[in-house]
Amino acid sequence: DAKTTQPPSMDCAEGRAANLPCNHSTISGNEYVYWYRQIHSQGPQYIIHGLKNNETNEMASLIITEDRKSSTLILPHATLRDTAVYYCIDTTSGTYKYIFGTGTRLKVLA
Amino acid sequence: DADVTQTPRNRITKTGKRIMLECSQTKGHDRMYWYRQDPGLGLRLIYYSFDVKDINKGEISDGYSVSRQAQAKFSLSLESAIPNQTALYFCATGATWDGSNEQFFGPGTRLTVL
Repeated sequence: DAKTTQPPSMDCAEGRAANLPCNHSTISGNEYVYWYRQIHSQGPQYIIHGLKNNETNEMASLIITEDRKSSTLILPHATLRDTAVYYCIDTTSGTYKYIFGTGTRLKVLA
Repeated sequence: DADVTQTPRNRITKTGKRIMLECSQTKGHDRMYWYRQDPGLGLRLIYYSFDVKDINKGEISDGYSVSRQAQAKFSLSLESAIPNQTALYFCATGATWDGSNEQFFGPGTRLTVL
């Protein structure tokens, strides 16, 4: 079973920030949080990952709560091309395995 | 050229047939994975390999077998295909030496078993 829970779907207006939440209440100290997205039926694409600290890259920002039980992926200025299913995955350092949940289907509206 | 390639991209077969899905990578990664995805669901791990001599079962290995012919090649076989193996299949790779769990996915193979 997936170790993370996400809302099944969200809408976001084009140009606005998309905030995608994820609960990972069973996460342990050495487990990273990874975010991927899947556009249509293409292979999942890496977005960002983090352990404790907030992270930012050219695609998104990742905010991890202090207790590490939840995180939020932020797409600062969503475009229509960001319409996809977004997966939050936690993975123990050294196991190199993912357990996917059903993700959040983000629809960016014009 | 794509770093992770899968062949074929689409395949229709009949119940009871043996088929092989192939995955090749030019990334030089040591880890390779096979996943399947059913409509509306996330990916589920079938098999994974951390090097040529290391093969491990994932969540749903029954009915499947794999072969790691070389570091760059990882094949998935369905010995006797059945209709509920109709799904989208993804190969992925990863590099242990960079300390990251990041995986790089291929474009997928859409398999239909009639």
